[in-house]
This record gives sequence, C-alpha cells and structure tokens, in this order.
Amino acid sequence: DIQMTQSPSTLSASVGDRVIITCRASQSLNGWLAWYQQKPGRAPKLLIYKASNLENEVPSRFSGSGSGTEFTLTISSLQSDDFATYYCLQYKSAYTFGQGTKLEIK
Amino acid sequence: EVQLVESGGGLVQPGRSLRLSCTSSGFTFGVYAVSWFRQAPGKGLEWIGYIKSKAYGETTEYAASVKGRFTISRDDSEGIAYLQMNSLKIEDTGVYYCSRDVYEYIWGTWGQGTLVTVSS
Repeated sequence: DIQMTQSPSTLSASVGDRVIITCRASQSLNGWLAWYQQKPGRAPKLLIYKASNLENEVPSRFSGSGSGTEFTLTISSLQSDDFATYYCLQYKSAYTFGQGTKLEIK
Repeated sequence: EVQLVESGGGLVQPGRSLRLSCTSSGFTFGVYAVSWFRQAPGKGLEWIGYIKSKAYGETTEYAASVKGRFTISRDDSEGIAYLQMNSLKIEDTGVYYCSRDVYEYIWGTWGQGTLVTVSS
C-alpha cells in the first residue's frame, strides 16, 4: 500500500499570504496525484490532477508541482474563500488520501 | 446540471446491513465510473471502492478495510449506483459520498453525502 504524509496538519495564514502544503508518498507516484479542497459540511472539490493540472474553473492562484514522491500545493495569494481543509490523493495504486491540512485565518 | 445525490443513510446496529444509493442526473451515467468515499466524524477522507462502466466490464475494486463486507453495483437504466454494506461495525460510522470520474478515475463530481451511524 502507498502511504501519504501531508504537512503541515494546520496552517495559520492571512489574506494575501502565499502558502505551501506538502505531500510525500512512500513510493514514486509517476505524477498520479490530485489535490482537493473541503469546506465544513461540504463535499471535496477537485483542484489539481496529475500533480500540476488545474481543474476547470479553479482560480489560477492555485498551483501544483512535484514529481516522484514529493508534491506541493501552492496558493499564491490567499483569499477569504480559501480557508478550508486541503487533501492530497494518490491514485497510482488504489487511492490514499493525505491526513489533511486545515488552513486557518491568522 | 450534473448532479449526484446520495440517500439511504441512517442509524443501524452493529452487525446489520444497509444499502446506500447514488442517484445521478444531468449526464449519461452509464459511461462513467463511480466511486464511494467516506469520512468519519472529524476525520479525513477514505476511499471505499469504485465500479467501472459497462464498457470496462463493471469491474470493481475495494479498499482492504471494506473488502468482503461492502459491494458496489450499478443500474445504468436508472442512473443509480449502490453501496451494499454488510456486517457493519461502529467504525463504519461517517458521511458517505459517491463521486463520478471527470478524467480517467479522477473523481471530480461529488454528491452532498449521506450520514451512516452504526450504534447499538
């Protein structure tokens, strides 16, 4: 099984900040990684797929990068709507989520 | 509008069974794979399993935590996917989501979820 380690678990930031969330996989994913945003009481929303491809209608301030076992989600300039929990998801072999990163207002 | 709606959740005793439904609208259900996920209260997301489309033999795959207890099926004529859950355990409690793939087996359209509570 592929294990995913996501960090940090909590991140405090302000509107306008640049934030980076990291996911590390227990083996190479060949880029088969997605990022999701989830708000309380809501279903997850796909942001990024294949490590760096922006899903339709997702703002360009979101970007993904990485390869092999290490991947990052970057939000270039936080907006108030971005405070949520973020999950990475590997889909190279079955599916495994990271533990999540709760992005809070500082 | 593309939409998925889960139903069938509720309170069930340990050891009993429950069947969830995922009803689609706004798209041709039969050409898409469907996956089920869950989220325990206050916890992260967990993949349960998926079913491919008829074109790919309606193949299913499951997470180890539910294999042998949960079964996913589909009725393309009705546009519904099902999650049959047997021998339920307290740790199966959570919100259950269904999702449709938007690219090959990347899950991009989700329902609003249905709550399953396993308790005596």
